[in-house]
Amino acid sequence: EAQVTQNPRYLITVTGKKLTVTCSQNMNHEYMSWYRQDPGLGLRQIYYSMNVEVTDKGDVPEGYKVSRKEKRNFPLILESPSPNQTSLYFCASSETGYQPQHFGDGTRLSIL
Amino acid sequence: AQSVSQHNHHVILSEAASLELGCNYSYGGTVNLFWYVQYPGQHLQLLLKYFSGDPLVKGIKGFEAEFIKSKFSFNLRKPSVQWSDTAEYFCAVNAGDSWGKLQFGAGTQVVVTP
Repeated sequence: EAQVTQNPRYLITVTGKKLTVTCSQNMNHEYMSWYRQDPGLGLRQIYYSMNVEVTDKGDVPEGYKVSRKEKRNFPLILESPSPNQTSLYFCASSETGYQPQHFGDGTRLSIL
Repeated sequence: AQSVSQHNHHVILSEAASLELGCNYSYGGTVNLFWYVQYPGQHLQLLLKYFSGDPLVKGIKGFEAEFIKSKFSFNLRKPSVQWSDTAEYFCAVNAGDSWGKLQFGAGTQVVVTP
């Protein structure tokens, strides 16, 4: 079954404590991307990756890092989380083109 | 910078009514256009997409959208909605100079009453 898997699904943590949200897809997709969803703002793209070792910034990359060492994994790293990064995060992948087709179930982060 | 605007934040309508959601974008060059839907408690699903060709695009679940280049618009329509169409709808655009970058509108919450 085609899947984009994010972990954890929920996380409450404190300011400054580094965290990683993992994202893995089992479809051999080249394109992967990260979004945050906030009420009234829709989804905003954080980073995207066209292929292994190829990443680029979306609209709101500040405070986030990503890496793409393998095709299937695209982790999102918050080196020093702050309360304004409290949000719902989605990872997505795509087989053809550069629009997300398969989304993960989301990760709800609360930074206190 | 390019932007995507969805005109209505909330729409309430009755079953069998027709639905039209507006979407406008600001980029002047070649664009790819998308509509996504997010049902309550679920992740986003792609409803339909436009890359080129016929400006009237048909998607899943009876939805269609029309690209009007002169108006920079990509409005979503459904002739007769059902209660199960209650969801949040997002328009999205990616521009020809940066295909990997995708911008979403703020979303329109649609509530269909029985």
